Amino acid sequence: GQSLEQPSEVTAVEGAIVQINCTYQTSGFYGLSWYQQHDGGAPTFLSYNALDGLEETGRFSSFLSRSDSYGYLLLQELQMKDSASYFCAVRGGTGGRRALTFGSGTRLQVQP
Amino acid sequence: DAGVIQSPRHEVTEMGQEVTLRCKPISGHDYLFWYRQTMMRGLELLIYFNNNVPIDDSGMPEDRFSAKMPNASFSTLKIQPSEPRDSAVYFCASSFSRTDYGYTFGSGTRLTVV
Repeated sequence: GQSLEQPSEVTAVEGAIVQINCTYQTSGFYGLSWYQQHDGGAPTFLSYNALDGLEETGRFSSFLSRSDSYGYLLLQELQMKDSASYFCAVRGGTGGRRALTFGSGTRLQVQP
Repeated sequence: DAGVIQSPRHEVTEMGQEVTLRCKPISGHDYLFWYRQTMMRGLELLIYFNNNVPIDDSGMPEDRFSAKMPNASFSTLKIQPSEPRDSAVYFCASSFSRTDYGYTFGSGTRLTVV
């Protein structure tokens, strides 16, 4: 099966940088994704890493180390609207290469 | 594109009743997923389809749950009979196999079984 671990909560101030870590165990790995979900909303896709290294998309970056079964999401220049839950998710495992298994989510609270 | 469309947005039903959730994926997407989200269990994959064919239904909790995709633009998730423990937000998502593997989620159906 698969398991993912990420911190349950993170607090940071506006303008700061925050890193949300994710470690995973899976049989069969095709990539690590990150999703954002605001309260009452739907998850929205942020990034995907299939290979080791850093992917940058604006203020958000995502990193993957397959040898360490580890990744992180880096949010820079935090804004109040970044307050949300962030989920890491792995592709692969028993559900097949297309299926995503999600972590339990990290609730980010951005304070003024 | 209007995105993934789910209906209804909210459903309140009595225990034992049949519930049908509906989903219209993004046109051209060849994968469709049903997820359930609860505080206790997080986001769980229930079933997914590729080109209207069910690929993996191992996440379907029990025989009370069934899902169909009669064509590329419509899918249903049915619960019969419903139980209070089925109360959750049910999300449908779709994706296209030849892109960056991101899912587009619908707004979800909040189901409450009383």
